[in-house]
Parts: sequence; C-alpha cells; structure tokens
Amino acid sequence: NAGVMQNPRHLVRRRGQEARLRCSPMKGHSHVYWYRQLPEEGLKFMVYLQKENIIDESGMPKERFSAEFPKEGPSILRIQQVVRGDSAAYFCASSPTDGFWGNTIYFGEGSWLTVV
Amino acid sequence: SQQGEEDPQALSIQEGENATMNCSYKTSINNLQWYRQNSGRGLVHLILIRSNEREKHSGRLRVTLDTSKKSSSLLITASRAADTASYFCAAPLSNNDMRFGAGTRLTVKP
Repeated sequence: NAGVMQNPRHLVRRRGQEARLRCSPMKGHSHVYWYRQLPEEGLKFMVYLQKENIIDESGMPKERFSAEFPKEGPSILRIQQVVRGDSAAYFCASSPTDGFWGNTIYFGEGSWLTVV
Repeated sequence: SQQGEEDPQALSIQEGENATMNCSYKTSINNLQWYRQNSGRGLVHLILIRSNEREKHSGRLRVTLDTSKKSSSLLITASRAADTASYFCAAPLSNNDMRFGAGTRLTVKP
C-alpha cells in the first residue's frame, strides 16, 4: 500500500508563474489536508478536502491559492502568480475518515517550492 | 492560532541520554499525536494518545497526556544519533483541522 504521494518533490518557479502541486492520498483515504511549512517553522494548516468538496479552507490565503480534490485523480494545490514569500515546503496528508475522531493522518514527503 | 506548542524549541543531548519534549495545547481535544520530521523529509507519525489515556508506550517512546493541564510530553529513552530530527505535537480541532506547533529540534550527538 503506497503512502501519500506528492509531486513534484522540488519545484522552481519564477515570480509571476503558476505552481501546481499534486497529491495522491493513500488508497482508501478520502480525506486530504494541505499544510505549508516555512523554513524553521511548524506546519500551518491550509485546507481540508474530501472528494469534490472543500470542507475547510480557513488557512488558505484569500488570493492566488486554490485547491481541489476531484472525483478522479489527485488533489491539486494551485498557486497563481507566485511571489518569493510562497517559497516553502507544502505537505499533503490523508486519512480514511476525519482526523478529529482519532484516525492517524499520514503525510507525504512534501513538495519544496522555490520562487526565484 | 497554533494548537500545539512544543517546548523546548531546541534540545541537544548525548547518545544514550533520555530526551523529553513537552507540548501544550489550548482547546479540548479528542486525541493528540506526535510526529517526527527529518530534515527535508515528510512527517512520520509516531504515536497517538486519546484524551481518556494518560500514558502510552511504543518502543523507546513514552507519551503522557494531562488533559487538566492541557499538556503532553514525549520521552525518548536511550537516544540514538538517528533520533536527530524535529518533533511535532499536533491536535485535531473540532473542525477537522490539525494544528501543529513549531516543533522541538532534537540533536543527539554520537
């Protein structure tokens, strides 16, 4: 059973370009979470999705960031018109049901975005 | 706001010593989880302790939970150089958000 798969692992974008980060949850998991980790900081929650639904996007910046988890295919975190401050590691996690009820959340290896 | 806050921020010990990391949280929780992150890697789940548990063991790991003080501790016994990593506590909020602290950076010197 493959773990949470994220790609690309490393992505370099110039300011103003778009970044697309993909996440395939573990098999059987229908809950996906995205987190951002700035250097030397902890993880900050961005968005929680179930298939075809955004459940909680309270951590997402209001502009330029969007996320989806379509019925088929991976979850996508999209950052438009990237700026240097978007440089960070973006982690995806998945769980079989919602994490509040005691289910372990499994993390991917992360996607490191560098904006030059 | 962060739910979990680890203490200390950094800890350096010799191989063979025990390492204790603490975590405080703000709201009522159903469970609390500890994760490890090696530099440049993803998070690895270590242990989950439920709110009705006071202590849990897993190999060289021992986790305690004091819901009256809203705090948890992670003890790594007989530490090894390979334990060098950042350790995070995380607690789910009622809206399914999992909040993490900034982590404790543990260095175990051989």
